[in-house]
Amino acid sequence: AQSVTQLGSHVSVSEGALVLLRCNYSSSVPPYLFWYVQYPNQGLQLLLKYTSAATLVKGINGFEAEFKKSETSFHLTKPSAHMSDAAEYFCAVRGGYQKVTFGTGTKLQVIP
Amino acid sequence: DADVTQTPRNRITKTGKRIMLECSQTKGHDRMYWYRQDPGLGLRLIYYSFDVKDINKGEISDGYSVSRQAQAKFSLSLESAIPNQTALYFCATSDRDTNTGELFFGEGSRLTVL
Repeated sequence: AQSVTQLGSHVSVSEGALVLLRCNYSSSVPPYLFWYVQYPNQGLQLLLKYTSAATLVKGINGFEAEFKKSETSFHLTKPSAHMSDAAEYFCAVRGGYQKVTFGTGTKLQVIP
Repeated sequence: DADVTQTPRNRITKTGKRIMLECSQTKGHDRMYWYRQDPGLGLRLIYYSFDVKDINKGEISDGYSVSRQAQAKFSLSLESAIPNQTALYFCATSDRDTNTGELFFGEGSRLTVL
């Protein structure tokens, strides 16, 4: 069994401030982990993925995430928020048999 | 053109009607999925198919059925729609060869059941 918990359904940051979106996972097998972004009225697109190589993963648009096995976490960060980062972000885990389980999502608001 | 295409993009229907949502892909992936998105609940897996002859229930399959007509086509049916099936539905694909589980999504089908 696998699951993902995203802490905070809504996060607000000022433009230029650090973005930190939290994700904790549970998996009975070594996990693959993902962050997806959904802009309004669009489908989901991949931001970044962890597939057991480097624990610090860099993605698109300046985002990165660090896999911490001891904390079962995969938090998403960006040093400086931009207005275009306003979207909903989903953490996801792939456990056994390629089934992917999503978290409940975090809506990021960027305040000018 | 989009690699994963869903039709219709928007549909309003009445309780008890049969609805089909269609998905086609040009990515050449063998694995296809249907997810449902509800506010505050994230995405939940309805059905998935690893090839034309392999179809599996996800976590919320009750009230839904699927058909994998070809490697590139995967349809979701609501035999008798009910209001709590009002949601945004996504089709997704993944590549068996890379085996990471990375999903490629369509743009979604918004269904409203009155």
